[in-house]
Amino acid sequence: GESVGLHLPTLSVQEGDNSIINCAYSNSASDYFIWYKQESGKGPQFIIDIRSNMDKRQGQRVTVLLNKTVKHLSLQIAATQPGDSAVYFCAENSGGTYKYIFGTGTRLKVLA
Amino acid sequence: DTGVSQDPRHKITKRGQNVTFRCDPISEHNRLYWYRQTLGQGPEFLTYFQNEAQLEKSRLLSDRFSAERPKGSFSTLEIQRTEQGDSAMYLCASSLALWAEAFFGQGTRLTVV
Repeated sequence: GESVGLHLPTLSVQEGDNSIINCAYSNSASDYFIWYKQESGKGPQFIIDIRSNMDKRQGQRVTVLLNKTVKHLSLQIAATQPGDSAVYFCAENSGGTYKYIFGTGTRLKVLA
Repeated sequence: DTGVSQDPRHKITKRGQNVTFRCDPISEHNRLYWYRQTLGQGPEFLTYFQNEAQLEKSRLLSDRFSAERPKGSFSTLEIQRTEQGDSAMYLCASSLALWAEAFFGQGTRLTVV
């Protein structure tokens, strides 16, 4: 079936460094992507989204890059802070369906 | 409006019992989703409502599961004859439109003993 997966289950970075979290998706018809942050015991929190007609979108300290050729999505976090420690999920939505398909997640650990 | 609200936050039930969860979406959002999440996994889609109409259901939603959104506002998810495999976090999300971000509630953690 269609799936969204992540390359690295755990990523450890030093505080102040930049983080890059990667995601591969398999449905070439997917046209909308979201990155979520989930802290322990809480629901996923929206970070940033991107439509398939774009290849880059920037938010506050975060940037999402989309490469449709290789069906790859990445989340870049600038100047990573301890509060960024969480599990990050990418989710995809393909036109014509309503559901968002999530990957397994990457745990980001920020080292002091 | 402070976001998507779910009740209860935690539920422990004995195998075979029925449970019902409630979700109150963000007030102007007409789209509502239920997801299930087990430890170490991403959320899995269960069902989707647009207003009061249930437009999509996952194969994961067996006949023991039923969801309603009677007036297009709050929604309930009922699990009948619970099994240990039903133990998970049940998440509700709402959104304003297609291709718009879905906002999640804090979830209901179900433990079946």
